[in-house]
Amino acid sequence: AQTVTQSQPEMSVQEAETVTLSCTYDTSESNYYLFWYKQPPSRQMILVIRQEAYKQQNATENRFSVNFQKAAKSFSLKISDSQLGDTAMYFCAFMRGAQKLVFGQGTRLTINP
Amino acid sequence: DTGVSQDPRHKITKRGQNVTFRCDPISEHNRLYWYRQTLGQGPEFLTYFQNEAQLEKSRLLSDRFSAERPKGSFSTLEIQRTEQGDSAMYLCASSLGRGRSYEQYFGPGTRLTVT
Repeated sequence: AQTVTQSQPEMSVQEAETVTLSCTYDTSESNYYLFWYKQPPSRQMILVIRQEAYKQQNATENRFSVNFQKAAKSFSLKISDSQLGDTAMYFCAFMRGAQKLVFGQGTRLTINP
Repeated sequence: DTGVSQDPRHKITKRGQNVTFRCDPISEHNRLYWYRQTLGQGPEFLTYFQNEAQLEKSRLLSDRFSAERPKGSFSTLEIQRTEQGDSAMYLCASSLGRGRSYEQYFGPGTRLTVT
């Protein structure tokens, strides 16, 4: 069974700083997808970024980018020029094919003014 | 294109009562997923459908839980004889289930409180 581990329960940075959230996963599969989801306080889950395991190039979406290390089974999220609206729980998730998502425990990120 | 909707948003019930939640996916999304999220934790998979077929059920889904998607559109999740441990946020997500559309889009959730 696949597992996803987020080792940072909480993080806090100042507005405009860069922050990196860590995620490791365990799988014997070779083809899969990885995601970062954001869940703001009392609001619904929003997809931030995705990465296909067969792609070597790291995904980027505006201020959000990932560092995907397939051999190390590592998938970190970097948020550049952080904004107050980035304050949220961030979940790393694994998916094989079009099947279920397996989530990590989450990292609570606070952006301070 | 409207997003995933869930009804009700909040439900308070007494232990032993039955409850039913509804999820309306994004139109044309043939895959629909149910997850449960307790406070401070990541969502846990419960079950998913492709069209009207239920393809997988988690071992978390006890006999008291049942889910349907009768016409391949909306889905219902029923919990019979609720217990206090059922208190959680129940999330629904949908996807097209192919290519880039493996991405799952989540609804706002139904928060269940069992007293």
